[in-house]
Amino acid sequence: DGGITQSPKYLFRKEGQNVTLSCEQNLNHDAMYWYRQDPGQGLRLIYYSQIVNDFQKGDIAEGYSVSREKKESFPLTVTSAQKNPTAFYLCASSRGGVAGANVLTFGAGSRLTVL
Amino acid sequence: GQQVMQIPQYQHVQEGEDFTTYCNSSTTLSNIQWYKQRPGGHPVFLIQLVKSGEVKKQKRLTFQFGEAKKNSSLHITATQTTDVGTYFCVPPDSGSARQLTFGSGTQLTVLP
Repeated sequence: DGGITQSPKYLFRKEGQNVTLSCEQNLNHDAMYWYRQDPGQGLRLIYYSQIVNDFQKGDIAEGYSVSREKKESFPLTVTSAQKNPTAFYLCASSRGGVAGANVLTFGAGSRLTVL
Repeated sequence: GQQVMQIPQYQHVQEGEDFTTYCNSSTTLSNIQWYKQRPGGHPVFLIQLVKSGEVKKQKRLTFQFGEAKKNSSLHITATQTTDVGTYFCVPPDSGSARQLTFGSGTQLTVLP
């Protein structure tokens, strides 16, 4: 079955440590996205990538970094510069193409807790 | 992305009652998508509306897109406990950035 796999599902981190969240898709989608969700809130866009080797900042990119070396993979690094990293992180992908025609498929999410 | 206002933010209903959530935009939308997120889960795409006045049904769910393409609604008939979750209406982006903006959605609680 095609889908998006995020790992780990749960992650605990000490303050000052960087952590990388994995996102892999086998849907052959061109576009990939990272969102952050805080309790009771909507989703806020961190980074997105429309094509391999290219990515753009979303609304809350500070303290995060990404890479897109392969079409299937879009890992997110939460750096120590992120002031409040405890959150639910969602990776998504879409076929890409015309703006507004992007239907998102989400992974199951990674829940990061900073101790 | 474009901004829409979704109301209500929270809704508690008794099982069997109907439920409606509304999205309103100040500008004309080319389309609108709806997603559902179960508690502890991830958003799942429900439907995309494109045409003015469009009405689409999925079992007990009815989706509408206004004639002016500035508002949309999701109506659930005879709610069930499986309907619990947050429903998001998601407009397309308006600029060059190809992103979708998720607001806070409507959080539905169904009481048995």
